[in-house]
Amino acid sequence: ILNVEQSPQSLHVQEGDSTNFTCSFPSSNFYALHWYRWETAKSPEALFVMTLNGDEKKKGRISATLNTKEGYSYLYIKGSQPEDSATYLCALGDDKIIFGKGTRLHILP
Amino acid sequence: GAVVSQHPSWVICKSGTSVKIECRSLDFQATTMFWYRQFPKQSLMLMATSNEGSKATYEQGVEKDKFLINHASLTLSTLTVTSAHPEDSSFYICSARRAPLRTGELFFGEGSRLTVL
Repeated sequence: ILNVEQSPQSLHVQEGDSTNFTCSFPSSNFYALHWYRWETAKSPEALFVMTLNGDEKKKGRISATLNTKEGYSYLYIKGSQPEDSATYLCALGDDKIIFGKGTRLHILP
Repeated sequence: GAVVSQHPSWVICKSGTSVKIECRSLDFQATTMFWYRQFPKQSLMLMATSNEGSKATYEQGVEKDKFLINHASLTLSTLTVTSAHPEDSSFYICSARRAPLRTGELFFGEGSRLTVL
């Protein structure tokens, strides 16, 4: 059974501060890692899909890194804004996509 | 971006009845669609992987006779909860992946909240 772990479960960050959280996964049989943002009352939206060890991707103030050998990915948010408040989901797989429990991020004004 | 439409958004039904949920990719072809269920304060649990023109692949512990999945075309997959019971009350959400990329991102529907009385 593929186990995708995310930490922390919940995070409160002051507006303007930077933050990061972790996704851990088994390093064997890696295929692709996904990050999604899920805002309340909306559908999850893809942030990144990463496949290569050492890969780094960036979209605006959000970036992610991937270490497939040790089985982790970090998601970074620089200069948090209220609109960043959401649940951030990490997922793994190819033929089937397995999700972690997510990190719920609250940005404090 | 690609759009996936799921409906109904909300459905309330009586115990013993069946409920069908539709998932459509509106502007792309989806060879693979995934059906997830979310329990309160839990993650998205994969129920089954649906490939166009073939039988769905169900995850361990998911009853295929209870949760009927059909993927008859490249733009439509349906989930039918048969003989629903209160324990089937949950949030169900579908997602679709563009053909043929196995590393492609998922595009999600809006989700369906099922309440069985």
